[in-house]
Amino acid sequence: AQSVTQPDIHITVSEGASLELRCNYSYGATPYLFWYVQSPGQGLQLLLKYFSGDTLVQGIKGFEAEFKRSQSSFNLRKPSVHWSDAAEYFCAVGAPNAGNMLTFGGGTRLMVKP
Amino acid sequence: DAGVIQSPRHEVTEMGQEVTLRCKPISGHDYLFWYRQTMMRGLELLIYFNNNVPIDDSGMPEDRFSAKMPNASFSTLKIQPSEPRDSAVYFCASSFARGGADEQYFGPGTRLTVT
Repeated sequence: AQSVTQPDIHITVSEGASLELRCNYSYGATPYLFWYVQSPGQGLQLLLKYFSGDTLVQGIKGFEAEFKRSQSSFNLRKPSVHWSDAAEYFCAVGAPNAGNMLTFGGGTRLMVKP
Repeated sequence: DAGVIQSPRHEVTEMGQEVTLRCKPISGHDYLFWYRQTMMRGLELLIYFNNNVPIDDSGMPEDRFSAKMPNASFSTLKIQPSEPRDSAVYFCASSFARGGADEQYFGPGTRLTVT
């Protein structure tokens, strides 16, 4: 069975600084990988996804993520954080033989300092 | 499309009462998922359906919880009797199978408070 670990529960960055949120997964083959964002009081919104091909994927709101098979990682990055990026971020993994079920990480709460 | 629709958005009830949460998935989606989110346990998958058939209900906490999907456009999650520890935000999500795992679209959630 697949699993996802987000090592950082909380991260605080200054507005304008760069951001990297870590995600490590466990799965025997190439997984399908996702990053979601949840603003306070809202549902989860997809930022980006990786199925195959180019290992650097671009998403909405200026986010990108890089799939590194050798490290079993799919870290999320943004070059310059805005105050509106303060939210909780979830990494998720899906497997081709698991229907459309996704396994979510525990989430990373991002706080942005002015 | 209006997205995944959940009702009610907020529910406050007393312990022992029956609670029914409702979900309308995106039209054409053939998978539907129910999740529960709490501070202590994070996001938990409770049950999911494929073509209206329950596939995996191993995440349902106990017999007090039940879920149904009578047709492709409607699902319910029922708690009877409710307990204070059921207080959480319940999300419904739907997706379309394209030969493998694909994006799930989440509703806005129902915040349940059991007093």
